[in-house]
Amino acid sequence: TQLLEQSPQFLSIQEGENLTVYCNSSSVFSSLQWYRQEPGEGPVLLVTVVTGGEVKKLKRLTFQFGDARKDSSLHITAAQPGDTGLYLCAGAGYGQNFVFGPGTRLSVLP
Amino acid sequence: ETGVTQTPRHLVMGMTNKKSLKCEQHLGHNAMYWYKQSAKKPLELMFVYNFKEQTENNSVPSRFSPECPNSSHLFLHLHTLQPEDSALYLCASSQALRGDLTYEQYFGPGTRLTVT
Repeated sequence: TQLLEQSPQFLSIQEGENLTVYCNSSSVFSSLQWYRQEPGEGPVLLVTVVTGGEVKKLKRLTFQFGDARKDSSLHITAAQPGDTGLYLCAGAGYGQNFVFGPGTRLSVLP
Repeated sequence: ETGVTQTPRHLVMGMTNKKSLKCEQHLGHNAMYWYKQSAKKPLELMFVYNFKEQTENNSVPSRFSPECPNSSHLFLHLHTLQPEDSALYLCASSQALRGDLTYEQYFGPGTRLTVT
């Protein structure tokens, strides 16, 4: 069974600060996704990464897939209160369904 | 209606009740999923349907019974649940599952279920 760990579990920062959250596994994934989930809503897909070492940017968010395709990071620059939410990573092996990590709960205070 | 909708949004039921959760997608997808999200556990995949055929049952107890009458609708029938089944039940859809292709899942807002 593939397991994903995310760290930190909780993060509370002030508006304007930078932050990085991590997603780690002992398994190799063919693709990895990041989602953001707000209270009372379902997760919303932010990005999919498929190539080891890949870096993708989405405005102030930068996603990196590890060279060995076992880990990933999400970096947010100049965080805003609208970034508050639960950040989930999900990884899938070849021909397998996605497995989700427990999430990092981010709170950005104005 | 757009995206993935779920009804009801909230449900309280006793352990002897029978109820059903409904999911509808308006995205033209052919794969649909049920997930369980508990407070202290990662999102757990329960069932997967691809072109109306069940392709995954992730060791889910028989008190949960899925139904997929067509590619746009997915139900989860509930009976004789336990208090530990209280959770947020999320439905998702994606393009049809084919081999190793990466697919994007679109989630509904979920049904918050409380079993008393």
